[in-house]
Amino acid sequence: DTGVSQDPRHKITKRGQNVTFRCDPISEHNRLYWYRQTLGQGPEFLTYFQNEAQLEKSRLLSDRFSAERPKGSFSTLEIQRTEQGDSAMYLCASRSAYTDTQYFGPGTRLTVL
Amino acid sequence: AQSVTQLGSHVSVSEGALVLLRCNYSSSVPPYLFWYVQYPNQGLQLLLKYTSAATLVKGINGFEAEFKKSETSFHLTKPSAHMSDAAEYFCAVSDLNRDDKIIFGKGTRLHILP
Repeated sequence: DTGVSQDPRHKITKRGQNVTFRCDPISEHNRLYWYRQTLGQGPEFLTYFQNEAQLEKSRLLSDRFSAERPKGSFSTLEIQRTEQGDSAMYLCASRSAYTDTQYFGPGTRLTVL
Repeated sequence: AQSVTQLGSHVSVSEGALVLLRCNYSSSVPPYLFWYVQYPNQGLQLLLKYTSAATLVKGINGFEAEFKKSETSFHLTKPSAHMSDAAEYFCAVSDLNRDDKIIFGKGTRLHILP
């Protein structure tokens, strides 16, 4: 069990550019979650997958955001036409069907200039 | 809708003193409650969780929390603070039987004074 991993850990981009983040969950965890954490706030739920199916999306997830989990393993979160307000820490978590605990990765810190 | 309120965005205690971080929740269904800790530039680590079993929950690093339904509270305590406890602490609520997402409070930053 190597834990949830996220790549990259840091991303600096210019406004208007597209960015993509990757999350690798703990092996055999069928549920995968994305959260966003802005400075001084707690994480806010964005979306989650059960296997490859995206089951829920927060209204925070505008149409510039898209998340995929094509084979039910790793997931990607893409932000198109980034805005300064997108600057945040993007956290990924996973859990198995047999536990009620979500395990979090180290996060990807996005800075939009 | 579920929500969490953490009282005090910053709490300072002396090393060796009692740590008390307050959390009140709102939930229309029996909640699952969690405390997570976040060290600088790191992800969240689960300290402890309440899932309708014992109301006094023991976690890692000497922390514990007590679920009090009548007060809708889930305060986090540790008898004796250590310098390494300095971090951000998040209380969270979830309804795993319904939609599975975790609702976090805004966090409390714990400062340990030497």
